[in-house]
Amino acid sequence: EAQVTQNPRYLITVTGKKLTVTCSQNMNHEYMSWYRQDPGLGLRQIYYSMNVEVTDKGDVPEGYKVSRKEKRNFPLILESPSPNQTSLYFCASSLSWQGYGGYTFGSGTRLTVV
Amino acid sequence: SQKIEQNSEALNIQEGKTATLTCNYTNYSPAYLQWYRQDPGRGPVFLLLIRENEKEKRKERLKVTFDTTLKQSLFHITASQPADSATYLCALDIPSGNTPLVFGKGTRLSVIA
Repeated sequence: EAQVTQNPRYLITVTGKKLTVTCSQNMNHEYMSWYRQDPGLGLRQIYYSMNVEVTDKGDVPEGYKVSRKEKRNFPLILESPSPNQTSLYFCASSLSWQGYGGYTFGSGTRLTVV
Repeated sequence: SQKIEQNSEALNIQEGKTATLTCNYTNYSPAYLQWYRQDPGRGPVFLLLIRENEKEKRKERLKVTFDTTLKQSLFHITASQPADSATYLCALDIPSGNTPLVFGKGTRLSVIA
């Protein structure tokens, strides 16, 4: 089944403890992206990647890192999480950055930083 | 910067009626516009894409229109059912800039039996 897989689904952590949210897609998509979704603010893009080894900042990149060493994986790293990073996170992928076939989203990771 | 407005945060309609959701945008003229469905706590699911040179697109009970003069897209669900209750997001591309797709905040549709 074609899908984007995120792990974990739920995560509670403490301020300052480094964490990684994994994202993997099995569709050979070139384009991958991370979003966060907060009430009243909608989906906001954190980072995106046009292809392997090519990443760029979205609208809200502060406090996050990403890497794209392989086409299928695009992990999101929070080096020193803070409570304002408590949010619902989504990974998405598409055949191309234009997204003509639509973006495929993962099921989401609900992160709580205390 | 590009601004997207979806007509209302919430819309309630009676089962069997046609639901109409609005997506308005300012500034740039997108090459295409997309609609997604999102259920609570789940990722958005792609529904339809309409290009700037297309006036209308249909898929089963869904219909999307795109008016580049009004800078507006309308999303219709005919013969609505309670299972159609969800949040619907519109998204559009920016011809220049580093954000390939910009999403609206969504409209929460409730279909009442």
